[in-house]
Amino acid sequence: DAKTTQPNSMESNEEEPVHLPCNHSTISGTDYIHWYRQLPSQGPEYVIHGLTSNVNNRMASLAIAEDRKSSTLILHRATLRDAAVYYCILRGSGGSNYKLTFGKGTLLTVNP
Amino acid sequence: GAGVSQSPRYKVTKRGQDVALRCDPISGHVSLYWYRQALGQGPEFLTYFNYEAQQDKSGLPNDRFSAERPEGSISTLTIQRTEQRDSAMYRCASSLGTGGRNYEQYFGPGTRLTVT
Repeated sequence: DAKTTQPNSMESNEEEPVHLPCNHSTISGTDYIHWYRQLPSQGPEYVIHGLTSNVNNRMASLAIAEDRKSSTLILHRATLRDAAVYYCILRGSGGSNYKLTFGKGTLLTVNP
Repeated sequence: GAGVSQSPRYKVTKRGQDVALRCDPISGHVSLYWYRQALGQGPEFLTYFNYEAQQDKSGLPNDRFSAERPEGSISTLTIQRTEQRDSAMYRCASSLGTGGRNYEQYFGPGTRLTVT
């Protein structure tokens, strides 16, 4: 499986934007980039995913580099509720794509 | 609507006992997954069902671990002759399906297993 690299931790202030980076230099052409997050004492929850184009949904935006070797999850206005571990995961489009392979993720702290 | 539910939420058992962990997926979700999560780590894949068929059990650590989903809905993960190293959070997830659409997985609250 292609691997992802994320910073161990990041800090932000409430109501400010947060940019969470992810490097995936060995990504293959059919790999989707997924983001999940895990709030304290809860199971992971889906945030967003994309293939090549930037994506927006009600939770966040995903900016994908032109060469697809990196991506950035953008929280436009961080709230205290966004404090969580954020996981960047690559999923293929066939074969064992059902399997989510989690790394250690980035622990986001949001300061009031 | 109701999410994925798991029971029990906490289980303390003595070494050598068998335990059964239950997962009730979201209604209509074809695919079901089991993961195990150690403290400070991301979840680790254990096994996957499509309807009642166990399609992948490559993540089960050894033959003391087994899982079933006989009617394509509720699933049970069984650990026989538990050992202390089995202590972890066991998480279940379900999704509408799999395949090219990369359906998102919905996770349950987990069962915290402690083997003493």
